[in-house]
Amino acid sequence: DQQVKQNSPSLSVQEGRISILNCDYTNSMFDYFLWYKKYPAEGPTFLISISSIKDKNEDGRFTVFLNKSAKHLSLHIVPSQPGDSAVYFCAASVGTSGTYKYIFGTGTRLKVLA
Amino acid sequence: NAGVMQNPRHLVRRRGQEARLRCSPMKGHSHVYWYRQLPEEGLKFMVYLQKENIIDESGMPKERFSAEFPKEGPSILRIQQVVRGDSAAYFCASSPDGQGEAFFGQGTRLTVV
Repeated sequence: DQQVKQNSPSLSVQEGRISILNCDYTNSMFDYFLWYKKYPAEGPTFLISISSIKDKNEDGRFTVFLNKSAKHLSLHIVPSQPGDSAVYFCAASVGTSGTYKYIFGTGTRLKVLA
Repeated sequence: NAGVMQNPRHLVRRRGQEARLRCSPMKGHSHVYWYRQLPEEGLKFMVYLQKENIIDESGMPKERFSAEFPKEGPSILRIQQVVRGDSAAYFCASSPDGQGEAFFGQGTRLTVV
């Protein structure tokens, strides 16, 4: 049972344009969402997060949007750069106070074309 | 402040042998998570530990796999009698308090031959 879904396994975008990566979830108990970026042969690195009490969080070129009613979040990267080419994972956390675990999606491979 | 350290980075085992994967969390972090990534797949949750306690092991196979996070020393993921299907990248992550973001290590790539 995949509670966090990334339905697009890959995405290609021209340099300078916007990249939009999507993520859907099924568990309404999720209350914190994160995006990670992963290069080959490396561990995932944290990118940006959002709490369920917000609908938008911005950090430089990266913005995450959360639509709780649709159980959907998205990551916008603008402008996209070749160095953004990587696999992006969305994750959701669930648990009781102080003991949260992270459930990851299957990832979307972003390729930014120069 | 060193990041999450995993060793070894690469591990080759013959079928039937034991594999021990180590994870030293970031300084001050008492929550550790183990994930497995099979080729061309996402990160699958395996186990969540807090010092000396297993909080959630719902993602870990019931047989051959075990994990610990002792009071002193690194967290250990142990796989007994490895099979070819255990070949994967195993990632460890840590967080200071079980909330907010978790930080990942570089992973251990296990190859069973």
